[in-house]
Amino acid sequence: EDKVVQSPLSLVVHEGDTVTLNCSYEVTNFRSLLWYKQEKKAPTFLFMLTSSGIEKKSGRLSSILDKKELFSILNITATQTGDSAIYLCAGLNNAGNMLTFGGGTRLMVKP
Amino acid sequence: GAGVSQSPRYKVAKRGQDVALRCDPISGHVSLFWYQQALGQGPEFLTYFQNEAQLDKSGLPSDRFFAERPEGSVSTLKIQRTQQEDSAVYLCASSLRRTQETQYFGPGTRLLVL
Repeated sequence: EDKVVQSPLSLVVHEGDTVTLNCSYEVTNFRSLLWYKQEKKAPTFLFMLTSSGIEKKSGRLSSILDKKELFSILNITATQTGDSAIYLCAGLNNAGNMLTFGGGTRLMVKP
Repeated sequence: GAGVSQSPRYKVAKRGQDVALRCDPISGHVSLFWYQQALGQGPEFLTYFQNEAQLDKSGLPSDRFFAERPEGSVSTLKIQRTQQEDSAVYLCASSLRRTQETQYFGPGTRLLVL
């Protein structure tokens, strides 16, 4: 059975701190790993990682995939209160029809 | 529309009632997915459509759950004889092509079964 595990479960930091969120996966016929940010509503797409070792960057957020160790990290630098959310990672299978989500990391950024 | 929309946003049902949850995907998106998200957990896959064809329903928890997408656009998730354990947020997502990897999510329907 496919499994995605995220750590830590929750994290409280102060504005300006840097955080690293972890995601390990066991997905049959793995294709890609996706990161989403979920506030009160829909998960919003952040990154899709398919190749190992290539960092993707968007502003203060960056992510990288290690397909040998079956692991991905999401980094957020200079955190802001608006970064407070649940961050979800999900493994996508080769058929592209099923995302297996981790339980999420709840990040709270205090002023 | 600009994004995936779902209705109702909130639904309270008495145990044993039937409910129907609606999803309007992004116009032109071929693939449509339903997920169930329990409190404090990540979304779990329920079922997947490609156009009107339901290609995978392996995640539906019981035969009380039924989904359809008769014209390949709007989809309805129906839950019959609701139970308290059905209480969750039901998320719908769509993606452009069969092999499109980015799924765009709707705001979800929060179902509470009393």
